[in-house]
Amino acid sequence: EIVMTQSPATLSLSPGERVTLSCRASQNVNSYVAWYQQMPGQSPRLLIYDASNRATGIPARFSGSGSGTDFTLTISGLEPEDFAVYYCLQRYKWPTFAQGTRLEIK
Amino acid sequence: VQLVESGGGLVQTGGSLRLSCAASGKSVTTDNMSWVRQAPGKGLEWVSVFYSGGGTNYADSVKGRFTISRDESKNTVDLQMDSLRAEDAAVYYCATRESTGYYLQWGRGTLVTVSS
Repeated sequence: EIVMTQSPATLSLSPGERVTLSCRASQNVNSYVAWYQQMPGQSPRLLIYDASNRATGIPARFSGSGSGTDFTLTISGLEPEDFAVYYCLQRYKWPTFAQGTRLEIK
Repeated sequence: VQLVESGGGLVQTGGSLRLSCAASGKSVTTDNMSWVRQAPGKGLEWVSVFYSGGGTNYADSVKGRFTISRDESKNTVDLQMDSLRAEDAAVYYCATRESTGYYLQWGRGTLVTVSS
């Protein structure tokens, strides 16, 4: 099983700030990585696929990068609705999620 | 595309439960359909997939206990869960893959509680 690891587990930030979340795969997953956002009590929402492509309807402040084993999600200018939990996912082999990063308001 | 899960509830350890995912706006045969679960306060775990070509696959944690099936006439995907354990307690989401190869549409989930 490919293990995905995110860091940090929690981030406390203020609206307007820029944030970069990191995700590392235990082996090469090429660019088969997605980022999901999950609000409390809701199902996951696809933000980024294939490491750097924004899903339909996702604002331009969300961007992704990386390939191989290291990936990042950047939110340039946090909006109040961005405070949520973010998960990276690999689909190179059996899909596995990382444990998530919680963005909380400072 | 809308996915609606049903069938969750309270079951005793060792018992069985059958979850169903009803799709509208898209045939369940068009692309892969999956079940993903989330234990209370925990992360996401891929449970099972029904491939558009007809094959199936399972996480090691449920292999031999869970069975995924598809009913084209009803446009549903079911998850039969047997020999349930405490660690199977979770919200179970149904999701469908789309042209990007990733799962864009998700249901709202159905809660499974396992008690001893």
